[in-house]
Order: sequence, then structure tokens, then C-alpha cells
Amino acid sequence: AQTVTQSQPEMSVQEAETVTLSCTYDTSESDYYLFWYKQPPSRQMILVIRQEAYKQQNATENRFSVNFQKAAKSFSLKISDSQLGDAAMYFCAYRSSGAGSYQLTFGKGTKLSVIP
Amino acid sequence: DTGVSQNPRHKITKRGQNVTFRCDPISEHNRLYWYRQTLGQGPEFLTYFQNEAQLEKSRLLSDRFSAERPKGSFSTLEIQRTEQGDSAMYLCASSPTGGGSNQPQHFGDGTRLSIL
Repeated sequence: AQTVTQSQPEMSVQEAETVTLSCTYDTSESDYYLFWYKQPPSRQMILVIRQEAYKQQNATENRFSVNFQKAAKSFSLKISDSQLGDAAMYFCAYRSSGAGSYQLTFGKGTKLSVIP
Repeated sequence: DTGVSQNPRHKITKRGQNVTFRCDPISEHNRLYWYRQTLGQGPEFLTYFQNEAQLEKSRLLSDRFSAERPKGSFSTLEIQRTEQGDSAMYLCASSPTGGGSNQPQHFGDGTRLSIL
């Protein structure tokens, strides 16, 4: 079974600075998908960024980018120019690419605080 | 796109009672998922529907839990004879089938269940 580990329960960053959230995963599969989701307090979870394992290029979405190290099974999220609205729980998630397998496996999350 | 809608937002009930939650996915999303999230944890997969067919069930889905998706539209999750350990946030998500298998799941606000 796949597992996802987020080793940082809490992180803080100064507004306008850069922060990196860590995620490692364990799988025996060669093809899969990785996601970062953001869950603001009392609000719904929204997708931040996604990465296909077969792509070597790291995904980027505006101020959000990932460092995907397939051999190391590492998938970290970098937030540049942090804003107050970035404060939230961030969850790393894994999904198999196997046919008929659509469940997401989540880590325990990292609570990000942004300091004005 | 009105988003995934879940009702009720909060449910408080006594131990031993039955509860039912409803999820309305984004229109034309054929895939629907249920997850459970306890305090300090990431969401855990419960079950998955493609149209009206329930295709995946987690071992977390005990005999007291049942999910349905009649006509492939909205879904209900029922918990019978609730226990203290059922207290959690129940999240629903949906995704389309088109556009490749890496379509992200869109989450609702969740239903928070509290067992007295």
C-alpha cells in the first residue's frame, strides 16, 4: 500500500518570503500522480498543483512550484512571495495511475502560518 | 460550475442513532468519492462511484456504513448505530471522466459529524 509522509506538522513564513513544504511517499509503482491540496480553516480543500510521475519537468502554477525527485520519492512544494491568504493546511496526496484506481492517499498535512 | 455541495454542514447526534449525509457533485462529473477526515489527519478514502456503480470500497467502510448514488447524480452516505469513533468530517469530491486519468478531484465543504 502506498503511504505519504509530511514530516513538518507546522511551518511559518514571513509575508513575501519563500517557504518549502516537504512530502515523501512510498510506492512500488512506476507511474502515478502527485498533488498538493490547500485547506483553509473551515473552507473546502482546493487543488494547488499536480505532477505526473512520468514527466521529468517540475510543475509550476504561478507562485507555486514543486521539486519532484522520483528516485528519492520526494515531492516538495515551494511557495514564493508568500501572502496572508496562503495560510492554511497543506496536504500532499498520491494517486495510482492504475485503471480503476482513483482514490487519493493523503499525508497528515502541514499547517502553514504567514506572518505579516 | 457551482461546486460540490454537501448537506448538512454540521450534524450532532447521540450514539446509536442513524445519520445520512448528502453530496451533490459538480454537474456532469461522473466520478464521486467519499473521504473521512479526523482531527489532525489527512482525509482517508472511503468509497468511489462511477455513475451509479460503486467501484471501490475501503476497509474503513464497515458494515454500519452504506453509500448510494442512484441515477448517477447525488450520493448519500448513511451511518447506522453511530459510535464515538465516527465523529469526523465527511468529505465528498467529484471529478470528470474526460481529459485523461489525472483529472483532479474537487472537494465540497464537508459534513462535520459529532457524536454525543
